[in-house]
Amino acid sequence: DQQVKQNSPSLSVQEGRISILNCDYTNSMFDYFLWYKKYPAEGPTFLISISSIKDKNEDGRFTVFLNKSAKHLSLHIVPSQPGDSAVYFCAASATNFGNEKLTFGTGTRLTIIP
Amino acid sequence: DGGITQSPKYLFRKEGQNVTLSCEQNLNHDAMYWYRQDPGQGLRLIYYSQIVNDFQKGDIAEGYSVSREKKESFPLTVTSAQKNPTAFYLCASSPTRTAKQFFGPGTRLTVL
Repeated sequence: DQQVKQNSPSLSVQEGRISILNCDYTNSMFDYFLWYKKYPAEGPTFLISISSIKDKNEDGRFTVFLNKSAKHLSLHIVPSQPGDSAVYFCAASATNFGNEKLTFGTGTRLTIIP
Repeated sequence: DGGITQSPKYLFRKEGQNVTLSCEQNLNHDAMYWYRQDPGQGLRLIYYSQIVNDFQKGDIAEGYSVSREKKESFPLTVTSAQKNPTAFYLCASSPTRTAKQFFGPGTRLTVL
């Protein structure tokens, strides 16, 4: 039972354009959402997060949008750069109080075309 | 230099042998986690520990064992009972007051 789904295994975007990565979840108890970026043979690194009390959070070129009613979140990267080529995982947690389990999606491989 | 270390980076074992993967953190985090990554399957939780001397099974604990005798260390043993042990193993830790987890560089285990 996949509670967090990333339905696009891969995405190719021209350098300088916007990259939009999508994530859907089924568990209505999820309250806090995170995006991680992962290069091959390395551990994931935290990118950006959002609490369910917000619908948008920005950090530089990265913006995460949350639509609670649709149980959908998206990560926007503007403008896309070659170094953004990586696998992106969304993750969800029931709280942001700490020591919580994260449920991860299967990832989307983003390729930025120069 | 604070962080999470996993050793070794690559590990090869013969089928039927137990193997222990190391994970150490000097971030003073209470919670530590072990994940497994397989192609196309994302990260799946094996075991986690919220405090020293306590740990819980994750979604795919069968064939694995852990210990948490020190706050800094959370070793994972892949036993011969694990049917498909070849994978990329990731250790993570998190402080209190946030769900954000910090990951180590990973260990790629290949069972021949």
